[in-house]
Amino acid sequence: GQNIDQPTEMTATEGAIVQINCTYQTSGFNGLFWYQQHAGEAPTFLSYNVLDGLEEKGRFSSFLSRSKGYSYLLLKELQMKDSASYLCAVRSRQAGTALIFGKGTTLSVSS
Amino acid sequence: GAVVSQHPSRVICKSGTSVKIECRSLDFQATTMFWYRQFPKQSLMLMATSNEGSKATYEQGVEKDKFLINHASLTLSTLTVTSAHPEDSSFYICSARDVDRPNTEAFFGQGTRLTVV
Repeated sequence: GQNIDQPTEMTATEGAIVQINCTYQTSGFNGLFWYQQHAGEAPTFLSYNVLDGLEEKGRFSSFLSRSKGYSYLLLKELQMKDSASYLCAVRSRQAGTALIFGKGTTLSVSS
Repeated sequence: GAVVSQHPSRVICKSGTSVKIECRSLDFQATTMFWYRQFPKQSLMLMATSNEGSKATYEQGVEKDKFLINHASLTLSTLTVTSAHPEDSSFYICSARDVDRPNTEAFFGQGTRLTVV
């Protein structure tokens, strides 16, 4: 089976840096995705990692260690609008090309 | 990213009626489409994988006779919730895969908020 874990909730202040961790167990790993989802809306694609290392895209970075089954999403210079749920999703050859999602981390950014 | 359009965005229906949700790939041909469901404060759960021209593959616990999926063309898949009940009220989201463009399945439609009263 597959298992994806991430913290349920996190809080941070404007301008700060926050790291959201995701651990996974799967066979036939074929990529890890991060999404941002505001309440009532569909998830928005943030990043994709399939090889080990850091992928940077503006204020957002995502890291992957395949040997450890571990990823994190790093958000810098936090803004109030970053308050949202952040979903970690894994694709494995077992599941074809569908994505299997973690339960999501609700991030609250305060001033 | 790949553009996927979903319609309607919101629908309210009476218990016992059926509702059809459409998922279209706008700028590519989708050999495979995926249907997810999300209950409040929960994550997305894969319901079924829809393959063009063949029967859909349903995840364990998803009733195929209740959630009818038709993928009759390379740009359109439909999900019909038959004999809807209040417990079917949820957020339904689709994504689509272009075999020639990797990771297109990462992009979702806008989602459909179904409320059964």
